[in-house]
Amino acid sequence: GAGVSQSPSNKVTEKGKDVELRCDPISGHTALYWYRQSLGQGLEFLIYFQGNSAPDKSGLPSDRFSAERTGGSVSTLTIQRTQQEDSAVYLCASSLGERGRTDTQYFGPGTRLTVL
Amino acid sequence: DQQVKQNSPSLSVQEGRISILNCDYTNSMFDYFLWYKKYPAEGPTFLISISSIKDKNEDGRFTVFLNKSAKHLSLHIVPSQPGDSAVYFCAADAGGTSYGKLTFGQGTILTVHP
Repeated sequence: GAGVSQSPSNKVTEKGKDVELRCDPISGHTALYWYRQSLGQGLEFLIYFQGNSAPDKSGLPSDRFSAERTGGSVSTLTIQRTQQEDSAVYLCASSLGERGRTDTQYFGPGTRLTVL
Repeated sequence: DQQVKQNSPSLSVQEGRISILNCDYTNSMFDYFLWYKKYPAEGPTFLISISSIKDKNEDGRFTVFLNKSAKHLSLHIVPSQPGDSAVYFCAADAGGTSYGKLTFGQGTILTVHP
C-alpha cells in the first residue's frame, strides 16, 4: 500500500515569505507527527495529532509555526515569515494511533526547505 | 539540552564484520527505545525496538542491548552487509503523556565496505 507522502519534496523561498508543507499519512492512521532535521542534528519533534486534535504542540519553535489536520487525514504545516534558521528537512510520520509499543511511526521522505 | 546522544558521527566497517552503534540518554523517564535507519532522500524506517523491562532484543542480524543503569543502548549488526550503509538514529519515548513523541539522537553514518 501507499506510504506517507509529502509535498513539495524541495522548497526554496525568500526570507519573510510564508510556506505550506503538506503531509498525506497512511490511510487509516489516526496519529500524525511532524519533525524537522536541521543540518547535522537529529530529528526534532514539532507537533503530534490524534485525529484532528493536536494534544502536543510543545515542539513548535515559535508562533510563526502552525499546523492543522483535516478529516483525520491530510496535514499542513505552515511557517509564516520564514527565517534562515527555518532551513531544514521537515519530516512527517504517521502511526495507527493505538496505545501500545507496537505503534510504529512510518515516515515520509521529507520536504527540504531552504530559506535564502 | 541533548537528551539522546550518539557520540560517533560515523563508523566504517568491513563487510561480514560486526557493526556496533552506540547511544546514550539522560532522561530517566525514557522507557522505550528504537533504532531507525535512513537512506539518502528517504524518510527514516523503523528497525528494532526495546522496552526498558528488557536488556536485549534480537531480530535476525540486528540486536539491541539496553543498559539502564548506564543509560546506554547499542545496536549490533552481525554480519554487516554493504546494504546496511545508511544513517542510524536511536530514539527514545517517555510514554505517559509523552507517548509517541520520540526524542532522537543526531545519527551515526555507517559505511560497510565490500
